[in-house]
Amino acid sequence: DSGVTQTPKHLITATGQRVTLRCSPRSGDLSVYWYQQSLDQGLQFLIQYYNGEERAKGNILERFSAQQFPDLHSELNLSSLELGDSALYFCASSVDSSGNTIYFGEGSWLTVV
Amino acid sequence: DQQVKQNSPSLSVQEGRISILNCDYTNSMFDYFLWYKKYPAEGPTFLISISSIKDKNEDGRFTVFLNKSAKHLSLHIVPSQPGDSAVYFCAGLDPRSGSARQLTFGSGTQLTVLP
Repeated sequence: DSGVTQTPKHLITATGQRVTLRCSPRSGDLSVYWYQQSLDQGLQFLIQYYNGEERAKGNILERFSAQQFPDLHSELNLSSLELGDSALYFCASSVDSSGNTIYFGEGSWLTVV
Repeated sequence: DQQVKQNSPSLSVQEGRISILNCDYTNSMFDYFLWYKKYPAEGPTFLISISSIKDKNEDGRFTVFLNKSAKHLSLHIVPSQPGDSAVYFCAGLDPRSGSARQLTFGSGTQLTVLP
C-alpha cells in the first residue's frame, strides 16, 4: 500500500460523457501527479500540482482538467469522452515538487464504450 | 503487501559499463512487466516491457530478463551512459479483477552513471 488512494478503481461510461477521478495523496505529500497508462503508449504524464498550484503540464488534452484542493486531494475531470480515452489513470504523490521519489496509487481503470 | 520489490534504492555505475537493475515480485499472476525511467521533475517514461511468456526482450542498449521460477526481473543497460542517470521503476500487470488490469510498481532504483 503506497498510501496514495484513488477512486473509483474502475468505471465504464459512454462516449460523450464526463467523469471525475479522485486522488488522495500520501499524508504529508504536497505534490500530486496524474498519468495516463495504455499498453501501447506506456505511462504518459498528464499534469502535476504542488500545494494547490499547477506545477507542470504534460500530454493533457484540452478536454481534460485537474485541480488540487486546499486539503491536497486532487481531481481529474475528463469530458466529452472518446473511445481512445479508455486507459488506466494513475495518480501519484511526492513530498516535494522535484518528483525524485513518487508514490503511485493503484490507478483508475476507465473504459469508454 | 509489496508485490513488487526493488531492494536497491540506488546504484552507481561507471560510464561504459553494464548497469543491472533488479526487481522481485511475489504475485505469480502477473502476466506482463514494464520498466519505467524517470528524470527529476518529469513524469515517468515507458522504457521496455516483457510478456510472462518470454524470458528476454531487447531494445537497443536495454534488455529485460524474466526468471519466472525465481519471480525475478532484471534490466540490463549496456553500455551505460550519463544520460541514463534516472530513477527506474519496474511494474507488474495482474490480469485478474475482471476487466480491470492494474499496474503494481516497485519503489524505484536511482541509477547514477558516473562519467
